[in-house]
Amino acid sequence: ETGVTQSPTHLIKTRGQQVTLRCSSQSGHNTVSWYQQALGQGPQFIFQYYREEENGRGNFPPRFSGLQFPNYSSELNVNALELDDSALYLCASSATTSIYEQYFGPGTRLTVT
Amino acid sequence: AQKVTQAQTEISVVEKEDVTLDCVYETRDTTYYLFWYKQPPSGELVFLIRRNSFDEQNEISGRYSWNFQKSTSSFNFTITASQVVDSAVYFCALSGNYGQNFVFGPGTRLSVLP
Repeated sequence: ETGVTQSPTHLIKTRGQQVTLRCSSQSGHNTVSWYQQALGQGPQFIFQYYREEENGRGNFPPRFSGLQFPNYSSELNVNALELDDSALYLCASSATTSIYEQYFGPGTRLTVT
Repeated sequence: AQKVTQAQTEISVVEKEDVTLDCVYETRDTTYYLFWYKQPPSGELVFLIRRNSFDEQNEISGRYSWNFQKSTSSFNFTITASQVVDSAVYFCALSGNYGQNFVFGPGTRLSVLP
């Protein structure tokens, strides 16, 4: 059974640029959630995708957007990057019947300069 | 609004000591779920336990045990006979009935010294 994978591992961008982060969910999982974890803080829920539709969103501006594909992999897009967007971005997948058991990927460390 | 508080920012113990990590939560939901996750230095969050709001039974899994008390809105986590490998940041989290909108606490950094 393949776990949750994320790419890239690390990324450095300049303020104002756009970035796309990718996540492959664990086999058999159709729900993907994205979280932002700033240094020294707990993860904050960005949004969740279930069967290619957004299924809940946290307190993040519209420049944070996402996609889920038919194979349940997902992308997180952030436009007009700001310095405060520097964080670890975590993806988590879960199966419909066990939506409360999320399995997290290793994260993408984004640095905005 | 949902909120999770972990008042202990950092804890240091010597190996083999017992340690309890505190978690206090706030929610208006009658049905909710509580979780503990471990985040080792590698960064990946590891699921430890889930408890729903109707199940106040304490749980023990090896050296880990959890004490859920609805009356005080607390869900504390105890590690017995701590080991160096237990060193990590531990997060308590809360979700609504359908598992969405997870809210994590700020985390407690546990250092177990040899």
